[in-house]
Amino acid sequence: QSALTQPASVSGSPGQSITISCTGTSSDVGESIFVSWHQQHPGKAPKLIIYEVSSRPSGVSNRFSGSKSGNTASLTISGLQAEDEADYYCSSYSTNNIVLFGGGTKLTVL
Amino acid sequence: EVQLVESGGGLVQPGGSLRLSCAGTGFTFSNFWMSWVRQAPGQGLEWVATIKEDGSETYYMDSVKGRFTISRDNAKNSVYFQMNSLRGDDTGVYYCARRGWYSDYWGQGTLVTVSS
Repeated sequence: QSALTQPASVSGSPGQSITISCTGTSSDVGESIFVSWHQQHPGKAPKLIIYEVSSRPSGVSNRFSGSKSGNTASLTISGLQAEDEADYYCSSYSTNNIVLFGGGTKLTVL
Repeated sequence: EVQLVESGGGLVQPGGSLRLSCAGTGFTFSNFWMSWVRQAPGQGLEWVATIKEDGSETYYMDSVKGRFTISRDNAKNSVYFQMNSLRGDDTGVYYCARRGWYSDYWGQGTLVTVSS
């Protein structure tokens, strides 16, 4: 049950776009539609921002988008804003009915 | 408005037990899978367990199998987490979350500290 691989940190300036990658295997990210992304601000509960690879929950800004290619999923945030500074976690359903999370990526808005 | 409220966390000695509860409101509880996800201090999220709508199926991460049990009472709109044989690496904030293979709503979490 290895965790998915995310970069530890990314940064960008206000207005720019950034992409966070999430690499798994053919047993999880590669074959699952249940790839999701969560945003977590310090001391707060996680918030779902992308589900089923590229769908956005109601109320989530369209600046957030998700995609997948092979065993790697990606989260893109466009038009960076100061409030986007947070930790971001990917997750995926895996074979044998388990869920894997990535190690998390700290986004810094410069 | 969907709300999930956890309770039952606290300080427990290694080898001890604790039972967490999570009450769900604002949605038809019996229609949704429910999960527990934990976060060790300063660390990332870790899925721990999931239970089907009617409680007929449960799934666990390897390191808690045989020690932890997830259950639910749909009449009380609640999901529970019985944790036995607790170890230091079980320390963290435990979140109750709606759905199974991804979580669309999360509670605020309850802190479990395993220490002598």
